[in-house]
Amino acid sequence: KQEVTQIPAALSVPEGENLVLNCSFTDSAIYNLQWFRQDPGKGLTSLLLIQSSQREQTSGRLNASLDKSSGRSTLYIAASQPGDSATYLCAVRHYGQNFVFGPGTRLSVLP
Amino acid sequence: EAGVAQSPRYKIIEKRQSVAFWCNPISGHATLYWYQQILGQGPKLLIQFQNNGVVDDSQLPKDRFSAERLKGVDSTLKIQPAKLEDSAVYLCASSLEQGPYEQYFGPGTRLTVT
Repeated sequence: KQEVTQIPAALSVPEGENLVLNCSFTDSAIYNLQWFRQDPGKGLTSLLLIQSSQREQTSGRLNASLDKSSGRSTLYIAASQPGDSATYLCAVRHYGQNFVFGPGTRLSVLP
Repeated sequence: EAGVAQSPRYKIIEKRQSVAFWCNPISGHATLYWYQQILGQGPKLLIQFQNNGVVDDSQLPKDRFSAERLKGVDSTLKIQPAKLEDSAVYLCASSLEQGPYEQYFGPGTRLTVT
């Protein structure tokens, strides 16, 4: 059974810092991995999706990498802003199966 | 393009009462998902529909939860009777039926059972 963990559970940084969020999964035979952002009281917003054949994806200040062999993905946020404050979740999908979500990392970017 | 719509946004009920949530997916998305998200946890899949057929309902508590997707478009999730532990956010998502199955989420319904 796939298990997904995210470290740290919470993170507080000053504005302008570069930061890394981690996602680990126990079964490396994945189809793809998706990073989401969730604002308080809101649904999930898709940030990046990485297929199993890819090593990384980039969108603006965000870069997500995937290392299947070690069961890890990282989300890199450059030059963080207060508007980046939210909970970040990763979700892992196997062939023919549905997403398994991690518990999320709650990020606070202080002005 | 309109996103995934859900209603109501908030609902407060007493235990043993019934409640229903509605979801309208993105136009053209054949696959629809219902998730339960308990505070501080990631979403947990309750049921997945492909058009109007059920693909995966292995984690749906079938003694009290039911869902339907008539005509393969919008969907309703019902809880009857509700328990205190059903307090959560219920999220609906949709995706195309072919890969990479990127999911798009609605705003969710926050349910409080007292």
